[in-house]
Amino acid sequence: QEKVQQSPESLIVPEGAMVSLNCSFSDSASQSIWWYQQHPGKGPKALISIFSNGNKKEGRLTVYLNRASLHVSLHIKDSQPSDSAVYLCAVTVNTGNYKYVFGAGTRLKVIA
Amino acid sequence: GGIITQTPKFLIGQEGQKLTLKCQQNFNHDTMYWYRQDSGKGLRLIYYSITENDLQKGDLSEGYDASREKKSSFSLTVTSAQKNEMAVFLCASSIGRVEQYFGPGTRLTVL
Repeated sequence: QEKVQQSPESLIVPEGAMVSLNCSFSDSASQSIWWYQQHPGKGPKALISIFSNGNKKEGRLTVYLNRASLHVSLHIKDSQPSDSAVYLCAVTVNTGNYKYVFGAGTRLKVIA
Repeated sequence: GGIITQTPKFLIGQEGQKLTLKCQQNFNHDTMYWYRQDSGKGLRLIYYSITENDLQKGDLSEGYDASREKKSSFSLTVTSAQKNEMAVFLCASSIGRVEQYFGPGTRLTVL
């Protein structure tokens, strides 16, 4: 069964810092990897996804995927207080249907 | 754009009670999901449905029933609420394996 582990559990950074979040998964045949952002009292919202080895950049976000090491990372450039949220890593499972497995999340706080 | 509506927003129940949570989406998405989120933990899949009248069990289906009578709605029933249980139930929808859109959640407390 696919397992998704995220680190660190929580992170506090000053405004403007570069933030790096990590996610490890157990199945190299996993399909896409998604990062979701969840603010308190709200449902998660998709931020960025990656399927192929390498990196993908969207605005202040960059995601890196290394299938050989079963690792994906999300980097947030020039962090803002509004980026304070829980970040969830989700892996789509290659079972022929539409299942996702989520990690426990990283709680980020950006201090002004 | 579309929206996912979950009712009720807050649900307080008694031990042993049967409780029903409802979810509506107007994205016209085929696939809908129910997840449970406990404090400090990730989302765990309870049930999902890839089309009207289809039901697929997730990893946490024991103690729950689900119903997908229309494409736009997906209901979840807690068959017997457990004392001191507290969790957030999240409904989501998607087209195939692309991003999931989530509702705001139903917060359950069992006394």
